[in-house]
Amino acid sequence: SQQGEEDPQALSIQEGENATMNCSYKTSINNLQWYRQNSGRGLVHLILIRSNEREKHSGRLRVTLDTSKKSSSLLITASRAADTASYFCATDADDYKLSFGAGTTVTVRA
Amino acid sequence: DTAVSQTPKYLVTQMGNDKSIKCEQNLGHDTMYWYKQDSKKFLKIMFSYNNKELIINETVPNRFSPKSPDKAHLNLHINSLELGDSAVYFCASSQGIPPGNEQFFGPGTRLTVL
Repeated sequence: SQQGEEDPQALSIQEGENATMNCSYKTSINNLQWYRQNSGRGLVHLILIRSNEREKHSGRLRVTLDTSKKSSSLLITASRAADTASYFCATDADDYKLSFGAGTTVTVRA
Repeated sequence: DTAVSQTPKYLVTQMGNDKSIKCEQNLGHDTMYWYKQDSKKFLKIMFSYNNKELIINETVPNRFSPKSPDKAHLNLHINSLELGDSAVYFCASSQGIPPGNEQFFGPGTRLTVL
């Protein structure tokens, strides 16, 4: 069953602006991951945050996790045209599965 | 070097046919997966093999049969194809099983059933 749900479904921003997207999930998790999918391609892993972590950075990416609210956010700073893609959160519990949401489609306008 | 490769990239076929999709990974991983992504981009796990043993078998029709001849390969055979099988199928691999591992995805196979 679907675990993560991303919000918004779509986001359009100007190059150089920041993009923020959120993920909510239903059950307790061990970890939460974010993936990027460029059009017509497979998913690429961006970052993993463990349930005992609250914030994590990787380059221009910042991920937060609030387990009390069962939510996570992904912030992309100083966006570039190459950031145009769909972004998915994926949660894993104790059932050996990653459960993905339907993603947020981000369009970065030049 | 391609880490996770799938063939074919596109597959167009008639209803009722049988088809296979092949997947190979050269990362030395011990776990492989098949996912189905529908037209709304929702990605759903279908199967997972760890060291050639089936560990995840979601509720998919038994027309779908995975086969893992070795740790580097996981193929998907689909019998009696139906219109609803049209989707993009992704193979992925990881070292170890969830939780806590990064998965590497192939480029996808777009299946269109006419």
